[in-house]
Amino acid sequence: EVQLVQSGVEVKKPGESLKISCKASGYTFSSNWIAWVRQMPGKGLVWMGIIYPGDSDARYSPSFQGQVTISADKSISTAYLQWSSLKASDTAMYYCARLEALRSSFDYWGQGTLVTVSS
Amino acid sequence: DIVMTQSPDSLAVSLGERATISCKSSQNVLYSSNNKNSLAWYQQKPGQPPKLLISWASTRESGVPDRFSGSGSGTDFTLTISSLQAEDVALYYCQQYYSTPYTFGQGTKLEIK
Repeated sequence: EVQLVQSGVEVKKPGESLKISCKASGYTFSSNWIAWVRQMPGKGLVWMGIIYPGDSDARYSPSFQGQVTISADKSISTAYLQWSSLKASDTAMYYCARLEALRSSFDYWGQGTLVTVSS
Repeated sequence: DIVMTQSPDSLAVSLGERATISCKSSQNVLYSSNNKNSLAWYQQKPGQPPKLLISWASTRESGVPDRFSGSGSGTDFTLTISSLQAEDVALYYCQQYYSTPYTFGQGTKLEIK
């Protein structure tokens, strides 16, 4: 059974760094792209970027390029989303999701990681 | 970026009636390699992650009730729920995966009338 299990709730202050995780199981992690999606409170879904764990090829939405870093460690089947300096506007639920192929829908989703940034 | 526009933003339908949600893309999302439209529909219930309902504009995912159907091609797409059930109350999103960033529509809130 394919599962994506994300790390837990985070409460941070502006300016702090953060790295959240998405651990995959039930399939060959290095063979499928993983996406990160933001959902701000009461808002819609926003595609942030994707990574291919097999070679760490990462592609970003222009809106998030330079704002976050997407990475993966195929030895432990885990993808990451990180910030070097959080802002209050980063407060959101963040989902990871699996793609069947580069050009495909998101067939499995993690449960989400809630990030709250507040002074 | 390809802009995805859904209509309406919210919709109230009586139980057992048909619900129809429209999604328009700013560019053609027909993938020439397989002659399929790179368009997906997701359902999101409160407190849950999105769930894939339909891929390639009209291919229903395993386990999705057959009252859900997708149609359309090029830039105009439709999600239809043939007979609304109480458990279908949710937000619905379309998404194009033709070119990155794989943008979503703004969402349509479906409620019971």
